[in-house]
Amino acid sequence: DSGVTQTPKHLITATGQRVTLRCSPRSGDLSVYWYQQSLDQGLQFLIQYYNGEERAKGNILERFSAQQFPDLHSELNLSSLELGDSALYFCASSVEGGIAEAFFGQGTRLTVV
Amino acid sequence: AQSVAQPEDQVNVAEGNPLTVKCTYSVSGNPYLFWYVQYPNRGLQFLLKYITGDNLVKGSYGFEAEFNKSQTSFHLKKPSALVSDSALYFCAVRDRNSGNTPLVFGKGTRLSVIA
Repeated sequence: DSGVTQTPKHLITATGQRVTLRCSPRSGDLSVYWYQQSLDQGLQFLIQYYNGEERAKGNILERFSAQQFPDLHSELNLSSLELGDSALYFCASSVEGGIAEAFFGQGTRLTVV
Repeated sequence: AQSVAQPEDQVNVAEGNPLTVKCTYSVSGNPYLFWYVQYPNRGLQFLLKYITGDNLVKGSYGFEAEFNKSQTSFHLKKPSALVSDSALYFCAVRDRNSGNTPLVFGKGTRLSVIA
């Protein structure tokens, strides 16, 4: 168990809908990262938060947004969903960048139908 | 920009034989390098990392990796493969000078260990 909790584990929704994925980082970790894993694209970095503030942005679509709350949990909001958004979404956390490895949750598998 | 290449999508090895999963990286400065493993329907699990010092790094489950600066490589190795090592392996890099930035991952290599 990595200590990173993601909910829900599975999500099936229709095109055009909006969903929210939730992540609770390991105790003490201030950095939260969101990644998208799809078969053809590998593991793509979406966005990073550090202690409530956005730190880095990757290949995140404008339809997607995220935030980190004062208790350090994070939410990833996906809207106007398309079939191509179907993927495994991972949250990871770390104490700090640099030498620190990131610990991953078990992911949320999103299926858009 | 940082990047990682894992040149093999799939590696097959017989149980008991040594295994190598290849990784090369590109950073503007010096790297921090990481290996992760992903079992089916699971998140990524940290295996080992290279920070500085000895080029041979030992990690979990008998895995080790060798950092080679001149070849910009960080290959994952294990002397004797087990069927239970079959999984998806990811190499990742962070530029030492980039501070608190996300890890950049390769596309992954699927390892299949055959009994």
